[in-house]
Amino acid sequence: QQQVKQSPQSLIVQKGGISIINCAYENTAFDYFPWYQQFPGKGPALLIAIRPDVSEKKEGRFTISFNKSAKQFSLHIMDSQPGDSATYFCAASKDQAGTALIFGKGTTLSVSS
Amino acid sequence: NAGVTQTPKFQVLKTGQSMTLQCAQDMNHEYMSWYRQDPGMGLRLIHYSVGAGITDQGEVPNGYNVSRSTTEDFPLRLLSAAPSQTSVYFCASSRSGFWDNQPQHFGDGTRLSIL
Repeated sequence: QQQVKQSPQSLIVQKGGISIINCAYENTAFDYFPWYQQFPGKGPALLIAIRPDVSEKKEGRFTISFNKSAKQFSLHIMDSQPGDSATYFCAASKDQAGTALIFGKGTTLSVSS
Repeated sequence: NAGVTQTPKFQVLKTGQSMTLQCAQDMNHEYMSWYRQDPGMGLRLIHYSVGAGITDQGEVPNGYNVSRSTTEDFPLRLLSAAPSQTSVYFCASSRSGFWDNQPQHFGDGTRLSIL
């Protein structure tokens, strides 16, 4: 059973557009929801994270929206840039330090100029 | 600061061989984890540790052993390598407690091929 489901698998967005990636989870014990960005040949790097007592968190062009009742959360990238082209992973953890993360399968984002 | 250091970066093994993937962190983080990444599968948790002497299983622990004798090191052992263990392995570390936007730091991975 996949605990964190991520969609879409791939996404192509024009420069300046909005990129939206969605995730859904099953386990209500999850208490921490980060998004990671990964470039080829590198390890994932934390982009932004949210706790379930907050419905939205914004950092620069990146926003997480969180819907606890629907068990869904999403990443919005505003004014998408070619440098944002990467693979994005949502994740969830029961541990607020994010020790044992359960990842979605990833979304490959391509931003065309 | 080196952060999380993984060695080797690349390795080719034959089926049945054993080996240890090394992971070291210099941030005095209590928590460390191992993940494997396969195409189209995201990252899957193998084993993790919340402190020296304490380890626990993740989603896909079979065929792997870990130990945590020091805070800095968390080696991953493949007991008898199988082609299904061909993957990219990532080690990560984090502080205990909740630190907003400061959880896991990942290494750059070990690319392992088993023939």
